[in-house]
Amino acid sequence: AQSVTQLGSHVSVSEGALVLLRCNYSSSVPPYLFWYVQYPNQGLQLLLKYTSAATLVKGINGFEAEFKKSETSFHLTKPSAHMSDAAEYFCAVSGAAGNKLTFGGGTRVLVKP
Amino acid sequence: EAQVTQNPRYLITVTGKKLTVTCSQNMNHEYMSWYRQDPGLGLRQIYYSMNVEVTDKGDVPEGYKVSRKEKRNFPLILESPSPNQTSLYFCASSLGVGGTRNEQFFGPGTRLTVL
Repeated sequence: AQSVTQLGSHVSVSEGALVLLRCNYSSSVPPYLFWYVQYPNQGLQLLLKYTSAATLVKGINGFEAEFKKSETSFHLTKPSAHMSDAAEYFCAVSGAAGNKLTFGGGTRVLVKP
Repeated sequence: EAQVTQNPRYLITVTGKKLTVTCSQNMNHEYMSWYRQDPGLGLRQIYYSMNVEVTDKGDVPEGYKVSRKEKRNFPLILESPSPNQTSLYFCASSLGVGGTRNEQFFGPGTRLTVL
């Protein structure tokens, strides 16, 4: 069984400040991890994915995430928030042979000017 | 352009009136899936299909049906919709299963309201 927990359903940051979104997972097999972003009235778009090639993964729009096996975490960060980063972010986990992508509950990011 | 399309984008209907939401992908993906998104609950999988004529239940299949007669299409059917099926629905597809083959591509969503 696999599961994902995103800490904080809402996060508010000031423009230019660090964005940190937390994701912890549980998986009985080595995980494949994904971050998706959902802009208002749109579908989900892949931000980045962890494939075991490197623990620090860089994605689109300046986001990156670090896989920490000992902490079972895959937190998403961006050094400097932009107004266009206001969206909902979802962490997801998949097993090596699993047929399912399990999503966390999502974190909505508000960026203040 | 590689994409997943859904129709309609918005639908308001009444309890008990059968409806179908269509989903089509042009990427020759084997795996297709339907999710519903509700506030605070993230995305929950309704049904999925590993290939043509192969479908299986996800986490919340009650009240829904699907079919996969062609590789590109995966319609979601609500035989007798009820108000608790008011939600935002997403269709998604991926190359297959396992590891990064599970990277899913999402449609734009269908917002369904059942009165």
